[in-house]
Amino acid sequence: DAGVIQSPRHEVTEMGQEVTLRCKPISGHNSLFWYRQTMMRGLELLIYFNNNVPIDDSGMPEDRFSAKMPNASFSTLKIQPSEPRDSAVYFCASSPREAPDTQYFGPGTRLTVL
Amino acid sequence: SQKIEQNSEALNIQEGKTATLTCNYTNYSPAYLQWYRQDPGRGPVFLLLIRENEKEKRKERLKVTFDTTLKQSLFHITASQPADSATYLCALLNQAGTALIFGKGTTLSVSS
Repeated sequence: DAGVIQSPRHEVTEMGQEVTLRCKPISGHNSLFWYRQTMMRGLELLIYFNNNVPIDDSGMPEDRFSAKMPNASFSTLKIQPSEPRDSAVYFCASSPREAPDTQYFGPGTRLTVL
Repeated sequence: SQKIEQNSEALNIQEGKTATLTCNYTNYSPAYLQWYRQDPGRGPVFLLLIRENEKEKRKERLKVTFDTTLKQSLFHITASQPADSATYLCALLNQAGTALIFGKGTTLSVSS
């Protein structure tokens, strides 16, 4: 079975540019999470969707960040404009309805903003 | 605010020994606690979940304890192997019950 799929795996961009990260959750999972991981702050939840609806976006750092989930099989995290302090590894995770406590993580997108 | 601490950033042990990792939390009582493994360049992988009414849980060579009085979980790997070398993260359900809060992790190195 395919796990959570994220693209791109690596992204290098310049400050001020728009960045879009993509995630395809595991088929049949109804919850989706976006996390950011840095050495300083560890793994932090940015936003959580349930049945495609954003439930908790209190972790989104500021208005430059936005996330969408137009359908059950696709989500995007957009940063506009990007800043060097946004450099991090961004993970998407999903969980199934029958085991909502267990999260399955994707491989991550390593973002570098110059 | 809810806070999680994994006491050691790094732990080095010899193959065959038992590795013990610690996770402490403050300011609230989570319904459950989880442990994840993360290898370099990869996402975390779920290992075990232990609920507040469970004292101990085992899975193969892994054992997790949960002491709600001490606000602490211990994660043990018995008969450790070099393949167990990775970063181990503990995670707690937040007070609102909506999301996981992760510790920064302990990097375990098992030498042969």
